[in-house]
Amino acid sequence: AQSVTQLGSHVSVSEGALVLLRCNYSSSVPPYLFWYVQYPNQGLQLLLKYTSAATLVKGINGFEAEFKKSETSFHLTKPSAHMSDAAEYFCAVHGSSNTGKLIFGQGTTLQVKP
Amino acid sequence: EPEVTQTPSHQVTQMGQEVILRCVPISNHLYFYWYRQILGQKVEFLVSFYNNEISEKSEIFDDQFSVERPDGSNFTLKIRSTKLEDSAMYFCASSTGLAGETQYFGPGTRLLVL
Repeated sequence: AQSVTQLGSHVSVSEGALVLLRCNYSSSVPPYLFWYVQYPNQGLQLLLKYTSAATLVKGINGFEAEFKKSETSFHLTKPSAHMSDAAEYFCAVHGSSNTGKLIFGQGTTLQVKP
Repeated sequence: EPEVTQTPSHQVTQMGQEVILRCVPISNHLYFYWYRQILGQKVEFLVSFYNNEISEKSEIFDDQFSVERPDGSNFTLKIRSTKLEDSAMYFCASSTGLAGETQYFGPGTRLLVL
C-alpha cells in the first residue's frame, strides 16, 4: 500500500534562507507524487507534481522537488525563502491508479522569520 | 481561472442532525472527491466519484455518509446523523483524469458538531 511520511511537522527558516521540506514515500508501483500548499483559511493548491517524466520538477513560486527512487524521496526545496511562503505544505501520493485517491502526509508548517 | 467552489464556508450543527455540504467542481472535470481534515491532523480521503457512481470509499465513509451529483454542476456530501467526531474541514476536489492528474481543491467547509 502507498504511504507518505513528512519529516518535521514544523520548519523555521529565515527570510532568504534555503527551504527544505522532506517527504519519503512507500509505493509498490511507480508513484505519482504531489506537493500541495495550504495558506491560512484557504484550500489546497498544487505546487508541483512528479509523473515519471523528469526527476527534477519545477513548480510555482520558485519551488522545485527531486524524485529519488533509490532514496524513495521527493523533497521540496526553494533557494530563498520569502515571507509569503509561510504556510502548510503537504506531500501526497496517488493511492491507486484506478480511482485517483490521494494519500497525504502529515503536513509541514513552514515559518519564515524576518 | 476555473476553480472549485464550496458552500457553506462554515457550518455549525447539533449532534444527530443531517448536514449537506455542497461543491461545484470545475465544469469539464469528470472525477470528483471528498477529503476531510480534522484539526491538527492530515488530510484524509473519503470518497471518489465518477460517472454517477462511487469509485472508492474509505473506511471513514460509512452508512452515515452519501454523495450525489444531483445535476450537471453540483456535487454534494451528506452526513445523515452527525457525530462530534465529524467536526472537521471538508474539502471537495475534482480532476480530468486519474493517475497523475492534478486534483483541484475547493476552499473547504468547516463543520462543527456540537
